Amino acid sequence: EDQVTQSPEALRLQEGESSSLNCSYTVSGLRGLFWYRQDPGKGPEFLFTLYSAGEEKEKERLKATLTKKESFLHITAPKPEDSATYLCAVHYTGTASKLTFGTGTRLQVTL
Amino acid sequence: DGGITQSPKYLFRKEGQNVTLSCEQNLNHDAMYWYRQDPGQGLRLIYYSQIVNDFQKGDIAEGYSVSREKKESFPLTVTSAQKNPTAFYLCASSIGFSSNQPQHFGDGTRLSIL
Repeated sequence: EDQVTQSPEALRLQEGESSSLNCSYTVSGLRGLFWYRQDPGKGPEFLFTLYSAGEEKEKERLKATLTKKESFLHITAPKPEDSATYLCAVHYTGTASKLTFGTGTRLQVTL
Repeated sequence: DGGITQSPKYLFRKEGQNVTLSCEQNLNHDAMYWYRQDPGQGLRLIYYSQIVNDFQKGDIAEGYSVSREKKESFPLTVTSAQKNPTAFYLCASSIGFSSNQPQHFGDGTRLSIL
């Protein structure tokens, strides 16, 4: 069964303590992997799209990378305002524009 | 500013009642989607629409209905047949259904049972 798994479920960091979130997938024919940020009570906010293994995208303290089996969202020197749930979703062959979402990683950054 | 507006933010349903969630977008996107989000689960697709006057069932369509009479509007009705409607409902849109462009989301409607 095609799956998207995110780990860890929750992560607590101190301000400035860099770390990575993982999104592993078992789908066939990946066409795109999407990262979103979701604040409590809000809709997901689009961050990045990655299309092929080896690709990297950066935005402020966030950097997303992609391999053939997983994607990492690296957070460098996080600040409290980076606290949110980070979701990944994949689009794969045969599903048109349908996305399969992971369950997310809840990130808390403390002072 | 362009975006997706969902209303109301909170909604309560009585037994046997149908309720309708509104979704409006001014992004000029062709494709629109409805998702349901439950704690500990990924977003699940309820219905999607590629173009005006066309829509398709997603993975969990039972107990829901939609219409797409205008490009900018995609309302979702939660019918009395949906036995577990309590959830956070998210509407999204994208430039085109077949493109690999990201979906953009509204800020959701939280539905609860009275």
